Parts: sequence; structure tokens; C-alpha cells
Amino acid sequence: AQSVTQLGSHVSVSEGALVLLRCNYSSSVPPYLFWYVQYPNQGLQLLLKYTSAATLVKGINGFEAEFKKSETSFHLTKPSAHMSDAAEYFCAVSFTGFQKLVFGTGTRLLVSP
Amino acid sequence: DTAVSQTPKYLVTQMGNDKSIKCEQNLGHDTMYWYKQDSKKFLKIMFSYNNKELIINETVPNRFSPKSPDKAHLNLHINSLELGDSAVYFCASSQSDTDTQYFGPGTRLTVL
Repeated sequence: AQSVTQLGSHVSVSEGALVLLRCNYSSSVPPYLFWYVQYPNQGLQLLLKYTSAATLVKGINGFEAEFKKSETSFHLTKPSAHMSDAAEYFCAVSFTGFQKLVFGTGTRLLVSP
Repeated sequence: DTAVSQTPKYLVTQMGNDKSIKCEQNLGHDTMYWYKQDSKKFLKIMFSYNNKELIINETVPNRFSPKSPDKAHLNLHINSLELGDSAVYFCASSQSDTDTQYFGPGTRLTVL
């Protein structure tokens, strides 16, 4: 069965520091991979997605993620954190034709001044 | 204009009651979904409809009944509400050949 693991339920960084949120998936076939962000009391917003094109995917708000098949990973990064990046981040996987997103447990990003 | 909207935003009710949550999307998508987010923020799919037909039903109690009157709407009716139904329910939509799902703002259901 497909699954997604996000390491670290909380990640704390200082403003201006590198953001790294980890996501690993288990799958026997190449998946589609997504990162969503959820701000407090709001719905989920798509940050970026990987759909078997370029392995380095750029998203909104300066975020990017790299698909590494050998490591079954899709980690999310941002070179310099901003206070407004504080939110819950979800990695998700889907497979063509299944139309079902399987989410990781989420990582809360805390940004301190 | 809001792409995926849900009503109500908050719903507080007593155990045993029946309630409905409505979802509408104006993106022209042909597929809609309901997700449940529990108190630990874990998101799990409940249902998916494609062109008004049920295509995913993820071991949800039959007290939950989705209804899709047309491609733009997917409502969720819940009978005999239980304490464990308290959660945030998200509606989403996508075009079946793109896989990107767009989420509504959520409905926070509290069962007392």
C-alpha cells in the first residue's frame, strides 16, 4: 500500500534560516507527489507537485522540492525562512487513475525572529 | 470568486442529530472529494465522486452519505452523529486528468 512518512512533527527555524521538511514515500510504481500548506484555520493550498517531469520542482512562495527515486524522497526546502511561512505542511502521494491523495501526518513549521 | 466553498464553516451539534455540509466548486472540475482531518491534523479521504458517480468510498460508516446533485456540488450528510465525528471536514475538487486537488476552507464539526 502507498504511504507517506514525514519526519518530525515540528520543525523550528529562525527567520532567514534554511527550511528543510522531510518526506519519504513507499510505492512500487512512480507516484505523483505533492506538498500542501495549511495556515491556521484555513484549507490546504498547493505549494508544488511532481508529475514525472523535472526532478527539481519549484513552487510558490520560494519553496522547492527534489524528487529522488533512489531515496524515495521528496523533501521540501526554502533557502530563507520568513515569519509568514509558519504553518502546517503536508506531503501527499497519488497515482494516476486512482484520484486518491494519501497524506503524511504533517509537519508544523515554527519560525522565530 | 472562491474556487471551492463549503457551508457552514462551523457546526456545533448534539450527539444523535443529523447534519449536512455543503460543498460547491466553480472550477469546472469533474471530480470532487471529502476528507476528514482529525484532532491530530491527520487527513484521510472519505469519498470521491467523478461526474456524479461514487468512485472512492474509504471504509466510512454508513451514517455518512455523500450526495452529488451535479458535477459542481458534493454534499455530505451525517446521521446519528457521534462524539468521534468531531473533526474538520474538507471538500476538494480536481479535473480527473490532472490529479491536482483544490481544497475548500473546511467545516469544523463539533459534536457535544
